[in-house]
Amino acid sequence: DAGVIQSPRHEVTEMGQEVTLRCKPISGHNSLFWYRQTMMRGLELLIYFNNNVPIDDSGMPEDRFSAKMPNASFSTLKIQPSEPRDSAVYFCASSKSGTGDTQYFGPGTRLTVL
Amino acid sequence: QKEVEQNSGPLSVPEGAIASLNCTYSDRGSQSFFWYRQYSGKSPELIMFIYSNGDKEDGRFTAQLNKASQYVSLLIRDSQPSDSATYLCAVMGYGGSQGNLIFGKGTKLSVKP
Repeated sequence: DAGVIQSPRHEVTEMGQEVTLRCKPISGHNSLFWYRQTMMRGLELLIYFNNNVPIDDSGMPEDRFSAKMPNASFSTLKIQPSEPRDSAVYFCASSKSGTGDTQYFGPGTRLTVL
Repeated sequence: QKEVEQNSGPLSVPEGAIASLNCTYSDRGSQSFFWYRQYSGKSPELIMFIYSNGDKEDGRFTAQLNKASQYVSLLIRDSQPSDSATYLCAVMGYGGSQGNLIFGKGTKLSVKP
């Protein structure tokens, strides 16, 4: 079975540019999570979807961040405009349901904003 | 603010020894607890989960939960160099936060041959 797929694996961009990160969850999973990991703050939940509907976006840092899940097999996290402090590893994870099921993480996207 | 606290380490143990990793959490209503392992440059992967007070064993791993003390731990018996990684404790919210995992910053474990 294919795991969670993320693209790109690495992204280097300049401050002010738009960045779009993509995620394909495991087939049959109904919940999708976007996390950000930095040395200083650890692994932080940004937003999670259940059945394509955003359930909790309280972790989204500010209006520059937006996330969509147009269908059960695809989600995007967009940063516009990007800033150097957005540099981090962004993980997507999915689970069968949000309530206590194991979350399976994708390989992550390492974002560097210059 | 719900918090999950872990000693950042590094925790260094000799090969074959027992490694003990600890975690405390602030939300008394939390019901589900998870341990993830993360190798350097890789994504977190689930090792164990525990819901009930007491011990849960899986191979060389034992998770221990004490809800009264808001404490969860992971014991790794017969530690191997391949166990060297960062171990993340995660606590699942409840009610409106159900589905949210709150992660600690992790404890880095080093197993010396």
